[in-house]
Amino acid sequence: GAVVSQHPSWVICKSGTSVKIECRSLDFQATTMFWYRQFPKQSLMLMATSNEGSKATYEQGVEKDKFLINHASLTLSTLTVTSAHPEDSSFYICSASGQRRDTQYFGPGTRLTVL
Amino acid sequence: SQQGEEDPQALSIQEGENATMNCSYKTSINNLQWYRQNSGRGLVHLILIRSNEREKHSGRLRVTLDTSKKSSSLLITASRAADTASYFCATDAGNSGYALNFGKGTSLLVTP
Repeated sequence: GAVVSQHPSWVICKSGTSVKIECRSLDFQATTMFWYRQFPKQSLMLMATSNEGSKATYEQGVEKDKFLINHASLTLSTLTVTSAHPEDSSFYICSASGQRRDTQYFGPGTRLTVL
Repeated sequence: SQQGEEDPQALSIQEGENATMNCSYKTSINNLQWYRQNSGRGLVHLILIRSNEREKHSGRLRVTLDTSKKSSSLLITASRAADTASYFCATDAGNSGYALNFGKGTSLLVTP
């Protein structure tokens, strides 16, 4: 149990376009979802925390107008990278927690390459 | 913000040997978790140790936590080539919706 999926697993896009990444909890209700970003050979950096039905809380330095997060249901959160630039190329990982808030289940990640 | 620091950054051992990775953190925590990540893949949760626990075992994994020193260690015994991966510690202070702060990770290479 406690499976989190991400779609797409990888995406290549042109500079200036927008890309949407979906994060789904498949077999549990995720009251909170987290979005992380990981650059090559580096650690995961928290971008934002989202609770179902409310606005996401962004970490310092993360542009909320560039990284749009929507947590519309208890099983789905989306991250939209707007007007993507090559420096946005990264590995984006989501995680979700349910009733046990101290346990997060991670998705497999989405590799974004912006040309 | 990132607060965990793993040591060493990279570790290379032979199969059968034990691998020890250390993690230090800066602020008070509710719990500390260790994760594994194979190259370019998602995270696999290994073990969670709470702030009131000192040691925990899971199969070939042994985790210790010293809250007075703000440090933790992960020991993998009788390592296998399949243990080759990056290992991260992550702390949860419970004051930001239980978001995790990840350390920089230790890259472990186990050679046959």
